[in-house]
Amino acid sequence: GAVVSQHPSRVICKSGTSVKIECRSLDFQATTMFWYRQFPKQSLMLMATSNEGSKATYEQGVEKDKFLINHASLTLSTLTVTSAHPEDSSFYICSARSGSYNEQFFGPGTRLTVL
Amino acid sequence: GQNIDQPTEMTATEGAIVQINCTYQTSGFNGLFWYQQHAGEAPTFLSYNVLDGLEEKGRFSSFLSRSKGYSYLLLKELQMKDSASYLCAVRVSGNTPLVFGKGTRLSVIA
Repeated sequence: GAVVSQHPSRVICKSGTSVKIECRSLDFQATTMFWYRQFPKQSLMLMATSNEGSKATYEQGVEKDKFLINHASLTLSTLTVTSAHPEDSSFYICSARSGSYNEQFFGPGTRLTVL
Repeated sequence: GQNIDQPTEMTATEGAIVQINCTYQTSGFNGLFWYQQHAGEAPTFLSYNVLDGLEEKGRFSSFLSRSKGYSYLLLKELQMKDSASYLCAVRVSGNTPLVFGKGTRLSVIA
């Protein structure tokens, strides 16, 4: 199967700082990337969908000015959590899909802790 | 809205068989997926069904009935390492992202 990487795997930051998370498709071109958030013992909640070269589509209730998504190339998407607060602490998972595959491939996730 | 239901927790014995059910009510249907997720890790793909019937892959099988909005994941010869959350997900249409259920936490005991 296809491989998706995420960096960093874990980050701890102070309240008010910004954090950038990178998601890369390593062996395929991801026409679409998805960002999910997962709180403890909860399911994956979709935050936004991004297509290469266009603006991301955010789910209802997700602040686009707080969660900046950039999908500049077919292999890279970034999520920046701006002015992070403790309630943003969560497990952020990216997922990528190309036209060649039925399934979505998931990155290993980023554990964000905001103090 | 989209609704996907699965049991919250299940416990089964090592070596046994367990069936995890999933029912869905969605505005469209373009495939049902099962993922395994260990604590603190990302989901890994297990199976995909788009037509009615049973798909078998080693110790894991998945069944789909589109008319009933129902699927199950069957795990045979359970091993301790199968203790994880199992997520049922539906793709509503061709280009939309997967919608996930809340997951079933399976505990395999000796």
